[in-house]
Amino acid sequence: GDSVTQMEGPVTLSEEAFLTINCTYTATGYPSLFWYVQYPGEGLQLLLKATKADDKGSNKGFEATYRKETTSFHLEKGSVQVSDSAVYFCAPGGGFKTIFGAGTRLFVKA
Amino acid sequence: NAGVTQTPKFQVLKTGQSMTLQCAQDMNHNSMYWYRQDPGMGLRLIYYSASEGTTDKGEVPNGYNVSRLNKREFSLRLESAAPSQTSVYFCASRSQDWSHEQYFGPGTRLTVT
Repeated sequence: GDSVTQMEGPVTLSEEAFLTINCTYTATGYPSLFWYVQYPGEGLQLLLKATKADDKGSNKGFEATYRKETTSFHLEKGSVQVSDSAVYFCAPGGGFKTIFGAGTRLFVKA
Repeated sequence: NAGVTQTPKFQVLKTGQSMTLQCAQDMNHNSMYWYRQDPGMGLRLIYYSASEGTTDKGEVPNGYNVSRLNKREFSLRLESAAPSQTSVYFCASRSQDWSHEQYFGPGTRLTVT
């Protein structure tokens, strides 16, 4: 069945550091790919998405590129801020179901 | 737009008690979902409803029932709560466009003692 593997956390970075959270997936066909973010005490919200191969999703300084050949969708940000502290979920989605990764908790220190 | 709303936000139950979690969306979405979130396990799908009048089991349906009351509302019922059902429950709906983006409610934190 479809599955997703993302980097285990927690990840602790200093402000302005570079962030990468790895995500690989297995899925039938070519699903849309999502990164969702969950801030403390809240539900998940969409951070960015890509709907076909080689698409780059971007939002709030975060980027991820849909790599069909490596079935990956790694999340990157050039300079993290304290306000980026949250849990990040990689999620391939197609059909009626979206598969969510286990989540990667990010702590950013001032 | 309210998006996806859930009630209650918090609930404490004793083992064996029953309760219904309510969810409503105002985006005219066809598909709606119930997930549970446990530490270190991400989100697990309990039930989903692809359209009004249909419901299907997800990954962890045991101990739960659902009702798709109309297009807006999708409720989750625990008939006899167990401590293993202590979790945070999220309702979501899915956009109609081909990206399949999901929109989440704020969650219900349930504790079963």
